[in-house]
Amino acid sequence: GQNIDQPTEMTATEGAIVQINCTYQTSGFNGLFWYQQHAGEAPTFLSYNVLDGLEEKGRFSSFLSRSKGYSYLLLKELQMKDSASYLCAVPSSGGYNKLIFGAGTRLAVHP
Amino acid sequence: DVKVTQSSRYLVKRTGEKVFLECVQDMDHENMFWYRQDPGLGLRLIYFSYDVKMKEKGDIPEGYSVSREKKERFSLILESASTNQTSMYLCASSLQGGGNTEAFFGQGTRLTVV
Repeated sequence: GQNIDQPTEMTATEGAIVQINCTYQTSGFNGLFWYQQHAGEAPTFLSYNVLDGLEEKGRFSSFLSRSKGYSYLLLKELQMKDSASYLCAVPSSGGYNKLIFGAGTRLAVHP
Repeated sequence: DVKVTQSSRYLVKRTGEKVFLECVQDMDHENMFWYRQDPGLGLRLIYFSYDVKMKEKGDIPEGYSVSREKKERFSLILESASTNQTSMYLCASSLQGGGNTEAFFGQGTRLTVV
């Protein structure tokens, strides 16, 4: 089967760095997605990793280790607007790009 | 600007009613999905469609059905609404193929069944 685990909640201070972890178990691997979801809004795409290593995109970076079934999202220079839920997702082994989501990590950024 | 549009942001329905949730995408995507999102459970896949008139069950299809008569439109139907179907419903679409085929989401429909 497939399973994704991520922490339920995290808090951080404006201007700081925060790392949101995600561990996954999947029978076949076709990449890992991170989405951001502000309260009451649709999830929006942040990143996609299919190879091991760190991918940087502005203040946000995403890391993948396929051998460990592990990924993290790194947010630098935190801003109040980064307060949101962060969803880790992997494509289902059944194909058709069905995404299996973790429960999400709610991040609260404080002044 | 690419868009997935859901017909309603908020709905209140009575137990036993038949409920239709509509979703339209303008990106010519082959795949369309319906998820429900509940606190602590994340997004769970109800049904998906990979082509017109084609549909497949997701992880929690019981109590739901879907219709895809046109490529751009994917409807979720609650045959007889129950209180445990009170939830946020999210529609998404994506291209077929492997790799970075990100899913685009609609704004969600918050359904309350009373």
